[in-house]
Amino acid sequence: QKEVEQNSGPLSVPEGAIASLNCTYSDRGSQSFFWYRQYSGKSPELIMFIYSNGDKEDGRFTAQLNKASQYVSLLIRDSQPSDSATYLCAVDSSYKLIFGSGTRLLVRP
Amino acid sequence: NAGVTQTPKFQVLKTGQSMTLQCAQDMNHNSMYWYRQDPGMGLRLIYYSASEGTTDKGEVPNGYNVSRLNKREFSLRLESAAPSQTSVYFCASTGTGGNTEAFFGQGTRLTVV
Repeated sequence: QKEVEQNSGPLSVPEGAIASLNCTYSDRGSQSFFWYRQYSGKSPELIMFIYSNGDKEDGRFTAQLNKASQYVSLLIRDSQPSDSATYLCAVDSSYKLIFGSGTRLLVRP
Repeated sequence: NAGVTQTPKFQVLKTGQSMTLQCAQDMNHNSMYWYRQDPGMGLRLIYYSASEGTTDKGEVPNGYNVSRLNKREFSLRLESAAPSQTSVYFCASTGTGGNTEAFFGQGTRLTVV
């Protein structure tokens, strides 16, 4: 079992819709959770981080964490074609930063 | 402010050749990482260093060695390159305990023929 799991997609949504990206992790001791966006040929860039159970909102992005279920999600409201990218979930596991395989998001104009 | 500087950006090696990828950060970060990224595989951790003077294996360490030269620099060495090591390599750094944002270098696209 991989430490951090994501559906590889692609997830295709129309412009203006809500995109929902999901991630599960195996290390119950993990305390820090991150969502990165990566455009093709570029380095990953941080979108959001979350440490506490519940929701955290930043503009069009909402991160949700449920430690009991070992589940992290990212919601993107009012999706734009420029949001088309690969979204990587990352988990701090015993001071190692472990990434999932990423979910490719396509936003159709 | 340069952040994380990684060199080279591109490299082609013949099977059996050796090379060292260099990484330096100027953010006074304790933790540094080397990842490889293959199509559809996300970022896989090769080695990491939680602090100066320490290094630990990640998910895919075979065929690689690392050196944490000082707090700023963390190098990755391929002693005898193999075609399976063709990949994009990323160096990253974070603050204390990995509990902060990771900053990435620009990546090295390595091809082993």
